[in-house]
Amino acid sequence: NAGVIQTPRHKVTGKGQEATLWCEPISGHSAVFWYRQTIVQGLEFLTYFRNQAPIDDSGMPKERFSAQMPNQSHSTLKIQSTQPQDSAVYLCASSFDSQNTLYFGAGTRLSVL
Amino acid sequence: TQTVSQSDAHVTVFEGDSVELRCNYSYGGSIYLSWYIQHHGHGLQFLLKYYSGNPVVQGVNGFEAEFSKSDSSFHLRKASVHWSDSAVYFCAVSARTGNTGKLIFGLGTTLQVQP
Repeated sequence: NAGVIQTPRHKVTGKGQEATLWCEPISGHSAVFWYRQTIVQGLEFLTYFRNQAPIDDSGMPKERFSAQMPNQSHSTLKIQSTQPQDSAVYLCASSFDSQNTLYFGAGTRLSVL
Repeated sequence: TQTVSQSDAHVTVFEGDSVELRCNYSYGGSIYLSWYIQHHGHGLQFLLKYYSGNPVVQGVNGFEAEFSKSDSSFHLRKASVHWSDSAVYFCAVSARTGNTGKLIFGLGTTLQVQP
């Protein structure tokens, strides 16, 4: 079991460019979560899929951010027209059961110059 | 609205000392409570969780936490810390009902264990 895999580990973009972050959940896990981590805000919930369906995207900025889960083996978080304030570590997590134990990937550090 | 408060941003202890990391929560319904650990440059790892029954729950590596409904607390403890316990510790709450599995995290407590 390789755990939750996130790629790339580091991404540097210029202001206004697009960034796509990838997540491969643990096989057999039905739920996938995206969080954003910064020093100031801590861990912010972004969005959540269960059985590939979007369940709760209440944490997603309404503009420029989108997430998809086209199949059970991967999810993507896309940020259009990146801004310096988007710089953060983006964490993906998956879970198997309804008792909410999350298994996190190592994260993607996004730096917007 | 669910909130999680970790009152200590940094805690420094010596190896072999006991430690308690504090967590208080605010939520009006049935909840799960959990603790996660994050070593530098890594994702979060699950330590332990409480959802019902015995208010003292045991986790990995000698950690335990005690739920108190009256104090709205879920403090994490370890009797004797090791240098490898140096990390950031996050307390989290999630609703037990409804179709949401999301966790709301506190800002974290950085534990530094000195030799």
